[in-house]
Order: sequence, then C-alpha cells, then structure tokens
Amino acid sequence: GQNIDQPTEMTATEGAIVQINCTYQTSGFNGLFWYQQHAGEAPTFLSYNVLDGLEEKGRFSSFLSRSKGYSYLLLKELQMKDSASYLCAVRDRGAAGNKLTFGGGTRVLVKP
Amino acid sequence: DAGITQSPRYKITETGRQVTLMCHQTWSHSYMFWYRQDLGHGLRLIYYSAAADITDKGEVPDGYVVSRSKTENFPLTLESATRSQTSVYFCASSGPSGGNEQFFGPGTRLTVL
Repeated sequence: GQNIDQPTEMTATEGAIVQINCTYQTSGFNGLFWYQQHAGEAPTFLSYNVLDGLEEKGRFSSFLSRSKGYSYLLLKELQMKDSASYLCAVRDRGAAGNKLTFGGGTRVLVKP
Repeated sequence: DAGITQSPRYKITETGRQVTLMCHQTWSHSYMFWYRQDLGHGLRLIYYSAAADITDKGEVPDGYVVSRSKTENFPLTLESATRSQTSVYFCASSGPSGGNEQFFGPGTRLTVL
C-alpha cells in the first residue's frame, strides 16, 4: 500500500511564492503527479516527476527526491486564480495499469 | 466534441435504487478509472479498466459494478444506492504509458436520500 501526506491548507499573498510539500511511502515508486483542482471542478494535470530533480513549467515547478520519499510543488508569482486545491498522486511500480494513489490535497488560498 | 464527458452532472436518488453513471471518452485511451471524492478522503479509486472487457477493483469497490464493452465507454452502476455513496464521482482516462497523465471528466454530483 501507499501513504501520502500533504498539508491540508496554506495561505499566501498575491505575488508571493508558496511551496507545497508531499511525502510518500511506497513499496515501489514509479512516478509522482501533481494536479490542480478548482472548487467544483475536475482535477487538471500540472506536472510529472519520475527522476530526481526539478521540473519547471512557467510559474510552476515540481521537485522530487526518491531517496527521501519527498516532492514539492512550487508556485511562483502567485495570482488570485491560483487559489485551488493541489493534489499529489503516486504511481506504484507494482500497480497494474496507470493506477494512482492520491493524497488528501492541499487547499491554497491566495489573498490580495 | 473531443474529450471525456460524464452524465448526468447532477443526480438525486433514494436509498435502494439502482443508479448508473456514464463516462465517455473520444481519445481511444486504453485506461479508464472511476473515483469518488469526499471531504477528508481526497480522491479514492473505485474501479479501473485497462482495456475493453478488462476491469479490476480499486480501493473502495463495494456496492459498485462496472463494465466496459467498448473502449470509449465505462459506466459505473450503484446496484442499491446507500446514503454513504453520496459523493462526487469522477471518471478519468489515460494512455498506456506509465508517464501518461490521467484526464478527468467534469464529475457527477450524486446525492442519495
């Protein structure tokens, strides 16, 4: 099985930077995904890490350390529209198909 | 339109009734998934399918039935709805590669009275 932990809620100011941490325990890691979910909407894909290091996509970056079972999502130059939940999901090597296990999500509130 | 759709978007039913939630995707993705999302539990996998006529249980399959006779459709049936099945249900699909992200449908909000 897998255990995925991320903070429940974070608050930040418009224009600032926020880092959302995700720790996981898995018997056979095979990739980590970050999704964004606005209230009342479906999750949408943000990033995918399978090797150690930083992946950058515009204002969003995601980091992975497999040895530490740790990832973070970095949101820079925060905008009001970034207020959403951010979901960390892990794929296990033993998982058939593309099964993912999701953390509970981190709700980010961006204040003016 | 291309993409992944779910119907109905909202459903209210009564305890004991059978309910079917529909999911349709136009990408010919091999994998399809059903999740439920509840406060305090995040997204939990109910069932998934690797291809037509191949389905398997996820984390919370009890009380649900799925079928996949065609690649593009993956209906989820609640055989006898219970109040604990009140939730938001998301369908998702993905390609065959491990790095392929899952694309989610808009969700169905189901209330069981």
